[in-house]
Amino acid sequence: DAKTTQPPSMDCAEGRAANLPCNHSTISGNEYVYWYRQIHSQGPQYIIHGLKNNETNEMASLIITEDRKSSTLILPHATLRDTAVYYCIVRGAGGTSYGKLTFGQGTILTVHP
Amino acid sequence: DTGVSQNPRHKITKRGQNVTFRCDPISEHNRLYWYRQTLGQGPEFLTYFQNEAQLEKSRLLSDRFSAERPKGSFSTLEIQRTEQGDSAMYLCASSPLPTGPNTYGYTFGSGTRLTVV
Repeated sequence: DAKTTQPPSMDCAEGRAANLPCNHSTISGNEYVYWYRQIHSQGPQYIIHGLKNNETNEMASLIITEDRKSSTLILPHATLRDTAVYYCIVRGAGGTSYGKLTFGQGTILTVHP
Repeated sequence: DTGVSQNPRHKITKRGQNVTFRCDPISEHNRLYWYRQTLGQGPEFLTYFQNEAQLEKSRLLSDRFSAERPKGSFSTLEIQRTEQGDSAMYLCASSPLPTGPNTYGYTFGSGTRLTVV
């Protein structure tokens, strides 16, 4: 699986956009980028995923650079409930690892009033 | 209930005892995964099943750990002769087969928190 690099922590003011970066410079052509978040004492929650096009759903937007070596998760109007650890993951693409998710340490996002 | 269910939510056990956790996945999901998470770390892969077949085990999974999914539905994770280092959150997740671009990610349960004293 391609390795991802995320900043350990970020802050954001409530109501503002939160932009969480992720580097995945060794990603291969058929690997997807997934984002999950984990609120304290709960299991991780799926947010969004993409291959090479930008994606948007009701929770967030995902911007993937043209060379696919990095991506940004955007929470357009952050709320206090968005305070969580955010994980950027590249999904395994081959053999028995296909579909397996390997988590790093993620980014702790703190949304403050 | 359409989510992933894990039981128990919390387990406190004495060192050396055996413990067993249960995971009930989303019914139509073929794949079931077990992860372990310690404080301040991301979830760490342990093993996964596709239907009843156990397809991969982490090298980190010692012989004291065993997992089963006998009928391709629920799964159990057993830890024998528990040690204090086994204290962690044990997470279960399920997913459809990862067959292409519209395959969504995992759905995780809320986990079982194990404390070995």
